[in-house]
Amino acid sequence: EAGVAQSPRYKIIEKRQSVAFWCNPISGHATLYWYQQILGQGPKLLIQFQNNGVVDDSQLPKDRFSAERLKGVDSTLKIQPAKLEDSAVYLCASRDPRVETQYFGPGTRLLVL
Amino acid sequence: DQQVKQNSPSLSVQEGRISILNCDYTNSMFDYFLWYKKYPAEGPTFLISISSIKDKNEDGRFTVFLNKSAKHLSLHIVPSQPGDSAVYFCAASTGFQKLVFGTGTRLLVSP
Repeated sequence: EAGVAQSPRYKIIEKRQSVAFWCNPISGHATLYWYQQILGQGPKLLIQFQNNGVVDDSQLPKDRFSAERLKGVDSTLKIQPAKLEDSAVYLCASRDPRVETQYFGPGTRLLVL
Repeated sequence: DQQVKQNSPSLSVQEGRISILNCDYTNSMFDYFLWYKKYPAEGPTFLISISSIKDKNEDGRFTVFLNKSAKHLSLHIVPSQPGDSAVYFCAASTGFQKLVFGTGTRLLVSP
């Protein structure tokens, strides 16, 4: 079974530029999450989707971050404009709605200069 | 407010010995707990989990213990192997919702 796919793996941008990340969850997993992991911390949830609907985006900085999951499969996370403090690893995870375990992709490491 | 805490940033053990990683939580509504292992430049890999209705779950060399009264869980690795060297994250959730993670413990298993 293929795991969660993410791209790109690494991205370096300058502050005030925009960036987008892509995630393809495990086949059949209706629930998809985006987490932000800052160095030295545990992952923190940004947004949760159930199919193509948003379940929880309470910790998403909506003035600069946006995410979508138009067809209930792939998802994109966008930052516009980026700030220095957005430097982090962005992790996508998916879950079969019938179980609690979330499975993570390899992450996208973002560096904002 | 950190609801899940891993107070030991690092742990060193010798190969073949037991590794014990600890995690404390404050939210009594958490009903599911997980341990993830993370290697550099990779995403967290699911290791083992436990429901709040149990106090122990085993999977090969890995055992998780849950003490609800103390709001404490621990991961035991026996015997430890050099390949177990990684960062271990404790996570908790309530009712199939988001995972709340600890800050991680870096385990180093030396030959």
